[in-house]
Amino acid sequence: GIQVEQSPPDLILQEGANSTLRCNFSDSVNNLQWFHQNPWGQLINLFYIPSGTKQNGRLSATTVATERYSLLYISSSQTTDSGVYFCAVISSTGNQFYFGTGTSLTVIP
Amino acid sequence: GAGVSQSPSNKVTEKGKDVELRCDPISGHTALYWYRQRLGQGLEFLIYFQGNSAPDKSGLPSDRFSAERTGESVSTLTIQRTQQEDSAVYLCASSSSGPGTQYFGPGTRLLVL
Repeated sequence: GIQVEQSPPDLILQEGANSTLRCNFSDSVNNLQWFHQNPWGQLINLFYIPSGTKQNGRLSATTVATERYSLLYISSSQTTDSGVYFCAVISSTGNQFYFGTGTSLTVIP
Repeated sequence: GAGVSQSPSNKVTEKGKDVELRCDPISGHTALYWYRQRLGQGLEFLIYFQGNSAPDKSGLPSDRFSAERTGESVSTLTIQRTQQEDSAVYLCASSSSGPGTQYFGPGTRLLVL
């Protein structure tokens, strides 16, 4: 299966700071999604972004499929951004989602 | 509510017992996934249903695990003869067509004593 690596594994930010989370994957994909898992365990879809750039408020994401990586940008971070951010991909030849191990973000006031 | 729902929210069982977990996908979603998430870890794919096609069972960890889905509606995940290592959160997700944007349920927290 595809290997999905996320970095950094842990991140602590002061409220208001910006951050970049990275997702590297080992094979070509036709589906890539970013999720936020809040401290209560609920997973929320942030972006469906197999390629290109998207923005939603303070969040944006860019996937460079030819170089097999995606970036999630968080600007002006807030305490409610805390949680774990997962990247998940589906290979071009399969149906199965492969999740990275996540980046655990803590935003302190 | 228009989201994915799962029941029960929490389940405590004794080793060796069978458990059945339920997932109600978003109405009209043809694709349904089950995942397992152990404490502090990422998500492990278990099984994928797409419409009336044969399910992709490649992620099921052993023959104690099985899942069914009736058409494009409810799915049940059954774990027979539960073991302590089955303790985890079991998450269900649905999407409108194939492996598209997934919407997750709140999960079932299973504890095997």
